[in-house]
Amino acid sequence: SQKIEQNSEALNIQEGKTATLTCNYTNYSPAYLQWYRQDPGRGPVFLLLIRENEKEKRKERLKVTFDTTLKQSLFHITASQPADSATYLCAPYNNAGNMLTFGGGTRLMVKP
Amino acid sequence: DGGITQSPKYLFRKEGQNVTLSCEQNLNHDAMYWYRQDPGQGLRLIYYSQIVNDFQKGDIAEGYSVSREKKESFPLTVTSAQKNPTAFYLCASSSAGRGRFFVGELFFGEGSRLTVL
Repeated sequence: SQKIEQNSEALNIQEGKTATLTCNYTNYSPAYLQWYRQDPGRGPVFLLLIRENEKEKRKERLKVTFDTTLKQSLFHITASQPADSATYLCAPYNNAGNMLTFGGGTRLMVKP
Repeated sequence: DGGITQSPKYLFRKEGQNVTLSCEQNLNHDAMYWYRQDPGQGLRLIYYSQIVNDFQKGDIAEGYSVSREKKESFPLTVTSAQKNPTAFYLCASSSAGRGRFFVGELFFGEGSRLTVL
């Protein structure tokens, strides 16, 4: 069955460092993949979309990579700030179901 | 301002009761979705609608019902048949298209937290 794996353990890093979050998927080949940020008790907010023919996408301090051979996307936040602390969700596009399927998210904690 | 409004933000239900969660959008989006989120878990799709008067079941539709009589509105009813309804419910919308990249960026509401007493 189709599966999306994000590290369920919180990632704790020091302010100013680069945070790297991982999203692995199995048993399907998404045409694209999205990343969302979710703060406690609130709805997710869209951050970036990367297509299968794009290796890398950047937006300000954010960078996403998409390796269709490894079936993995990496999400990087450079020069991290305490305000970046949140849960980050990856959502590969499910071609068969014509839907986005969400991973469980990884909680990022940036310490001052 | 354009966006999605969910209400109520908090809702308590006694066992055996049906409750309806409201979702309204003024983004002129064709597609609307309902997701359920349990603590520490990802979002699971309950129902979605691509156009008015049409909707499809998602992965966990049992015990839920929806309607799409207007483009702006997509209410979700949690029926008494839903055995474990306590969760955080999220409504979303997207501009629908045709072809390979059918689902674009999702715009989410602030969520409704349902607790069964």
